[in-house]
Amino acid sequence: TQLLEQSPQFLSIQEGENLTVYCNSSSVFSSLQWYRQEPGEGPVLLVTVVTGGEVKKLKRLTFQFGDARKDSSLHITAAQPGDTGLYLCAGAVNYGQNFVFGPGTRLSVLP
Amino acid sequence: DTGVSQDPRHKITKRGQNVTFRCDPISEHNRLYWYRQTLGQGPEFLTYFQNEAQLEKSRLLSDRFSAERPKGSFSTLEIQRTEQGDSAMYLCASSLDSGSVEQFFGPGTRLTVL
Repeated sequence: TQLLEQSPQFLSIQEGENLTVYCNSSSVFSSLQWYRQEPGEGPVLLVTVVTGGEVKKLKRLTFQFGDARKDSSLHITAAQPGDTGLYLCAGAVNYGQNFVFGPGTRLSVLP
Repeated sequence: DTGVSQDPRHKITKRGQNVTFRCDPISEHNRLYWYRQTLGQGPEFLTYFQNEAQLEKSRLLSDRFSAERPKGSFSTLEIQRTEQGDSAMYLCASSLDSGSVEQFFGPGTRLTVL
């Protein structure tokens, strides 16, 4: 049983479109991270959210942490081919414990 | 800051052989994590260290797997008597301390067991 679910599993869009991917759980997390991973490389940290309801923006990326700290979303505005990759969410149930990852959303942005 | 490094980047071995991977964390990072990632999946936690102490091991870490961090700096992950099911990307990550919510990943070691 996945502690973290991500949807959609795959997403293929045209350059310039907007998209939202989701990370959901029945568990409460003390913090949640979003990563982007390219083939053959390790995940690269994009953002950490820690407060319920928190919204963080990173250029064209907007991250939101649910009020109950059980879910999160990543919205990309005007997607570019460079956004292509595997988007992973990871959560820590308690500070000082290990992190659990979702299965990821594989995004492909076509020029 | 050179980031987390892993060596080798790729390893091809025959079933039954032993392999060892190395991870060098970001300097002064006390926490070090090992994960395994198979194709199409997110990373799965294997084990982590606080300095030289191994604090938690996943049930995924069978008796054939052993990890060490003898001086609280670099870490090694050894797999004995490799099986084809061990083929995966092995990722290492480090974080500053137990209160840190951010971990930084290395590029991974891709293991192929023939």
